[in-house]
Amino acid sequence: DAGVIQSPRHEVTEMGQEVTLRCKPISGHDYLFWYRQTMMRGLELLIYFNNNVPIDDSGMPEDRFSAKMPNASFSTLKIQPSEPRDSAVYFCASSITGYYGYTFGSGTRLTVV
Amino acid sequence: AQKITQTQPGMFVQEKEAVTLDCTYDTSDPSYGLFWYKQPSSGEMIFLIYQGSYDQQNATEGRYSLNFQKARKSANLVISASQLGDSAMYFCAMRDFLSGTYKYIFGTGTRLKVLA
Repeated sequence: DAGVIQSPRHEVTEMGQEVTLRCKPISGHDYLFWYRQTMMRGLELLIYFNNNVPIDDSGMPEDRFSAKMPNASFSTLKIQPSEPRDSAVYFCASSITGYYGYTFGSGTRLTVV
Repeated sequence: AQKITQTQPGMFVQEKEAVTLDCTYDTSDPSYGLFWYKQPSSGEMIFLIYQGSYDQQNATEGRYSLNFQKARKSANLVISASQLGDSAMYFCAMRDFLSGTYKYIFGTGTRLKVLA
């Protein structure tokens, strides 16, 4: 299995631009999570899905952030418009019902200038 | 509310020695899981070890063991025979099971440096 695949690995964009981060979970996993990691706030859960349905989006910082999971093998996290304070590493992780752990992707390092 | 506390921002250990990374937690849920992850400088999150709240024995995985003291609400990670490759950030995390959610909360991490 290839694990959780995130793209791109690095993204540099200008303030005000739209940014889309992508994630392919492990096949068969029915949970998908988006986390953000910053020095100031550590690892924060933004949103998670179960069977492609958003379950908890209470961590999404504001309306500029949106996430979708159109099918079991693909999810996106979109920031529009982006701001410098959105600069962070964004992790996607997946899990399967009955299993306690997550598998994380390699992360996307976003820099908004 | 759930809370994870890691009070050691940074630790040093001599190669081949053992080191303990502290983690305390708070939850009202009687059923929960505790996890440790390693994040090397390359940035990926690597699962190390898991302890369930009802597990009778402390978890072990190779050189990693979890010193679980339920009454004290602590779940310290012990790394035996440290290696240079153990230098990394280490995160403690918790998940409540009875709440029906699958989300973790993470501590702020401890940066471990292994000295040659």
